[in-house]
Amino acid sequence: NAGVTQTPKFRILKIGQSMTLQCTQDMNHNYMYWYRQDPGMGLKLIYYSVGAGITDKGEVPNGYNVSRSTTEDFPLRLELAAPSQTSVYFCASSSTGTADTEAFFGQGTRLTVV
Amino acid sequence: AQTVTQSQPEMSVQEAETVTLSCTYDTSESDYYLFWYKQPPSRQMILVIRQEAYKQQNATENRFSVNFQKAAKSFSLKISDSQLGDAAMYFCAYRRAGSARQLTFGSGTQLTVLP
Repeated sequence: NAGVTQTPKFRILKIGQSMTLQCTQDMNHNYMYWYRQDPGMGLKLIYYSVGAGITDKGEVPNGYNVSRSTTEDFPLRLELAAPSQTSVYFCASSSTGTADTEAFFGQGTRLTVV
Repeated sequence: AQTVTQSQPEMSVQEAETVTLSCTYDTSESDYYLFWYKQPPSRQMILVIRQEAYKQQNATENRFSVNFQKAAKSFSLKISDSQLGDAAMYFCAYRRAGSARQLTFGSGTQLTVLP
C-alpha cells in the first residue's frame, strides 16, 4: 500500500534550470493536488486536478505547470527556477466518494534553488 | 476567499498535561469541513481530526478533541494527557463542501512537549 509517492525527496537546482517533480498514487483517486510549504508557513495550493485531462490553478500557480494524462500520475513542472521557488512541495490525492474522505499526502520534496 | 488563522506560532505543554491550540476561519459558506493535521519532523502530513460544519457535536479522537463554534468561526484543538510523540507542527485546515476538496491551511502552531 504505497499511497502517494513523490520523487525526488530532495533536490538542489540552479537559477534558471528546469525540473519535474513526480507524483503517483495507487488508490485510484480522481482528485490530485500540489501544495508548497514555505518555512514557517502553511501549505498553499499550486494546482489541482479533478481527473485525467483536467487541471486548474490554485492560489500560487505562477512559475509552474502540470499535466494529468493518467489517473495515477500528476507531475509538476518548474520552468526557469527562481530562488522564490525554494520550498517543500507536497502532492496529495483524494477520492470522490460521497462520504467525506481525507486527503492523502506524499512525503514531500524539499527543493532549494541557488 | 476563505482564510484560516492560527494566532499561536508556538506553544509548549508539560507531558501528561492538556493544551489547546486555536484556529479561526473566515468563510461565507454554510457547509464545509474543518481539519487538524499534524506534521512531525518527518514532514509527513497526518490527519488528526475532522469536523463537519453541519454537525453540532464536537469531534473526538482518543486524546484529541475539538471545540467547534460555528457562529464565532472558531475551531480549537484540545490535546489531553500530552505525550512526547505529540510534539509537531499542527495545521488547521478548511475545505468547502461540494468543491474539488482543496484545502486552505493556517500557518501552523509548533507544539513542544516538555518531559
